[in-house]
Amino acid sequence: KNEVEQSPQNLTAQEGEFITINCSYSVGISALHWLQQHPGGGIVSLFMLSSGKKKHGRLIATINIQEKHSSLHITASHPRDSAVYICAVAGTYKYIFGTGTRLKVLA
Amino acid sequence: DGGITQSPKYLFRKEGQNVTLSCEQNLNHDAMYWYRQDPGQGLRLIYYSQIVNDFQKGDIAEGYSVSREKKESFPLTVTSAQKNPTAFYLCASSPGFRGEKLFFGSGTQLSVL
Repeated sequence: KNEVEQSPQNLTAQEGEFITINCSYSVGISALHWLQQHPGGGIVSLFMLSSGKKKHGRLIATINIQEKHSSLHITASHPRDSAVYICAVAGTYKYIFGTGTRLKVLA
Repeated sequence: DGGITQSPKYLFRKEGQNVTLSCEQNLNHDAMYWYRQDPGQGLRLIYYSQIVNDFQKGDIAEGYSVSREKKESFPLTVTSAQKNPTAFYLCASSPGFRGEKLFFGSGTQLSVL
């Protein structure tokens, strides 16, 4: 079993839909990161969480430390949100990455 | 603007050849990392460095080597000992080494001729 599990692996949505991507982990962490990878391959950091909830524009990230679970929500999705979303947990001297969720938003 | 620059974007390796991937950052970050990305898999750590002149093996270091002679630079050499080098390679940095925000380069796609 992977230490970081994401679901779903693939997701297709219509423009405007509310989207949720889930991340579960099985190790102790100091922080959890949500990353976005565009088709060209570059990765940008969206959020770093150690507790609670963060919001940036249409993106919301939550974490439940006791349940070892995090969610990334996209409200009013748009075709430009199409990308791979990656969950990563920061442990001791190491980041562990999920395999990513490939999101496609149709116009 | 500060950031991480990786070059080249595409690289082709011949049998038995060593190739070097460049990674330069002007963010004044202490920690730098090299990751390998294969289809359907999460990023895997090849090497990391916490400070100049120091680096540590990651999970898949065999067939790779690095150096950290300057704070800004962390080149990765893919040696002929790496029998399956075709992958997307990403360099990253963070201010420190306590789970801080990661900054990534744009990646290098390495293929074997």
